[in-house]
Amino acid sequence: DTAVSQTPKYLVTQMGNDKSIKCEQNLGHDTMYWYKQDSKKFLKIMFSYNNKELIINETVPNRFSPKSPDKAHLNLHINSLELGDSAVYFCASSQFPGALISTDTQYFGPGTRLTVL
Amino acid sequence: RKEVEQDPGPFNVPEGATVAFNCTYSNSASQSFFWYRQDCRKEPKLLMSVYSSGNEDGRFTAQLNRASQYISLLIRDSKLSDSATYLCVVNKGISSGSARQLTFGSGTQLTVLP
Repeated sequence: DTAVSQTPKYLVTQMGNDKSIKCEQNLGHDTMYWYKQDSKKFLKIMFSYNNKELIINETVPNRFSPKSPDKAHLNLHINSLELGDSAVYFCASSQFPGALISTDTQYFGPGTRLTVL
Repeated sequence: RKEVEQDPGPFNVPEGATVAFNCTYSNSASQSFFWYRQDCRKEPKLLMSVYSSGNEDGRFTAQLNRASQYISLLIRDSKLSDSATYLCVVNKGISSGSARQLTFGSGTQLTVLP
């Protein structure tokens, strides 16, 4: 049973193209995330949605637009792809209880390896 | 100063060795601390949470020192299968939505040699 799934797993495309990555979680979590892991393996958060509402939006070019049609899905659309966008993109999810303190455990998808030529 | 700093390694140790990783964090308001493990070309997975009193899970022991803002992970009797990158992870604090935001260290690479 896949908890957090992403498609596609690999994406090779030309500079200037527009592409989308899809993410789905079947854990019943309210919060979903997109992370970018660059060639130096540094994992950096891009966006976070809680129950379809954007709650974290780090400094990311506006060519990147997340969309959450429901709390189980968070897609990432990228316009006008650039060479520097080449990276592995991870989707993740976690519980978002009403209490302030939670376990904050995040479950990651398998990643989408994006190569821009 | 980076929010979460780790020694990148690599650490190359023989099977059966004991190895320790250290991590420092800059945000004194951080409340939650974790070690994640990432295998080559795979996603990060939670290894263990880190509690103030220290906690142990089999061969793995995690310690937290809030005063020094320092976290450690000790692996005893290391196995070949322990080879991976270990990520120190800290949350941002308890105010607003950013409370759920985790900051990842750049990871420490471990290779256990036969």
